[in-house]
Amino acid sequence: DAKTTQPTSMDCAEGRAANLPCNHSTISGNEYVYWYRQIHSQGPQYIIHGLKNNETNEMASLIITEDRKSSTLILPHATLRDTAVYYCILLSAGTASKLTFGTGTRLQVTL
Amino acid sequence: SQTIHQWPATLVQPVGSPLSLECTVEGTSNPNLYWYRQAAGRGLQLLFYSVGIGQISSEVPQNLSASRPQDRQFILSSKKLLLSDSGFYLCAWDYGSGNTIYFGEGSWLTVV
Repeated sequence: DAKTTQPTSMDCAEGRAANLPCNHSTISGNEYVYWYRQIHSQGPQYIIHGLKNNETNEMASLIITEDRKSSTLILPHATLRDTAVYYCILLSAGTASKLTFGTGTRLQVTL
Repeated sequence: SQTIHQWPATLVQPVGSPLSLECTVEGTSNPNLYWYRQAAGRGLQLLFYSVGIGQISSEVPQNLSASRPQDRQFILSSKKLLLSDSGFYLCAWDYGSGNTIYFGEGSWLTVV
């Protein structure tokens, strides 16, 4: 079972910031927070990941609360191409990355 | 740069027929390799993973098997397909948790 909770769906206007929340209240100290997205009929695409500190890359920013029990993925300027299902996943450090996907958040970006 | 190839992209197979999906990774060595499945309208489920040649771990009991005959080759097989094996199969690779996981483009399997 996935150890994260995400809203089922969200809408965002094109050009605005999309803020996707994720709750992971039972996260353990060695678990990373990963974000992937899946556009229909394609393989999941890596977005960003973090352990404790906030992270930013060319695609998005990841804000992790101090207690690490929740996080927010921020797409600063959403475009229509960002319409996808976004998955927040916890992953323990170890020799193999066994991702457990939940149902994710379906983000619909509109004009 | 590293790339992952998966084939065939789509296939329609009758119930009871065998299956072989292949995945290869280029531009890297000794990766961890994974097979995931996504049934219609559902999330991805990890089926198998491998941390080295000949090393296969199964995550769920099923009608499928996996093999890793070479460092960068991962094969998903079945001797007799079931209707419930239909779905979207994805191969992925990484160097271990804490690193980015890369997925292939997937293979659509329809068992009829």
